[in-house]
Amino acid sequence: AQSVSQHNHHVILSEAASLELGCNYSYGGTVNLFWYVQYPGQHLQLLLKYFSGDPLVKGIKGFEAEFIKSKFSFNLRKPSVQWSDTAEYFCAVGSGNTGKLIFGQGTTLQVKP
Amino acid sequence: DVKVTQSSRYLVKRTGEKVFLECVQDMDHENMFWYRQDPGLGLRLIYFSYDVKMKEKGDIPEGYSVSREKKERFSLILESASTNQTSMYLCASSSINGRMEPQHFGDGTRLSIL
Repeated sequence: AQSVSQHNHHVILSEAASLELGCNYSYGGTVNLFWYVQYPGQHLQLLLKYFSGDPLVKGIKGFEAEFIKSKFSFNLRKPSVQWSDTAEYFCAVGSGNTGKLIFGQGTTLQVKP
Repeated sequence: DVKVTQSSRYLVKRTGEKVFLECVQDMDHENMFWYRQDPGLGLRLIYFSYDVKMKEKGDIPEGYSVSREKKERFSLILESASTNQTSMYLCASSSINGRMEPQHFGDGTRLSIL
């Protein structure tokens, strides 16, 4: 069965620090990869997505993610975090055309001003 | 912009009650989903539907059923609510476009079963 693992459950950073959140999945076929963010009190919204092509994907608010097929990874990065990045981040993987996604456990990011 | 509307932000019910959670989307999406979100467990799929009157079980369907009588509306039903169904419930929708499209989420319903 497919699964998604986010290694960091709770991350605390100071403003301007660099961020990398890990995401690994288990599935041998073609995958579509997503990162979602949930700000406090808000709905989940899409940060970025990867379908094919350039493995380095840029999303909203300065976030980017790199798909490394050999490592089954899709890590999220941001060079310099802001207090407003405080949120919960979810990695998700889908395959085929059913529209179904498998979500990771989520990572709570707390940015100290 | 896609709007997914869940009927209640907060709901308190008693054990044994039949509970209905409603979700409406305004973008004519074919796919609709119900998840529950619990701390440390992420989002787990309860049921999804890819067309009117069609439904498929997700990973944790026990104790739940769904109804999709119209394309824009997807209802989650707790047949006999239990305390272990206290959770945040999220509805989502997505289109079919020859590939996997991102899901769009509602604000969630925080359900407490007493």
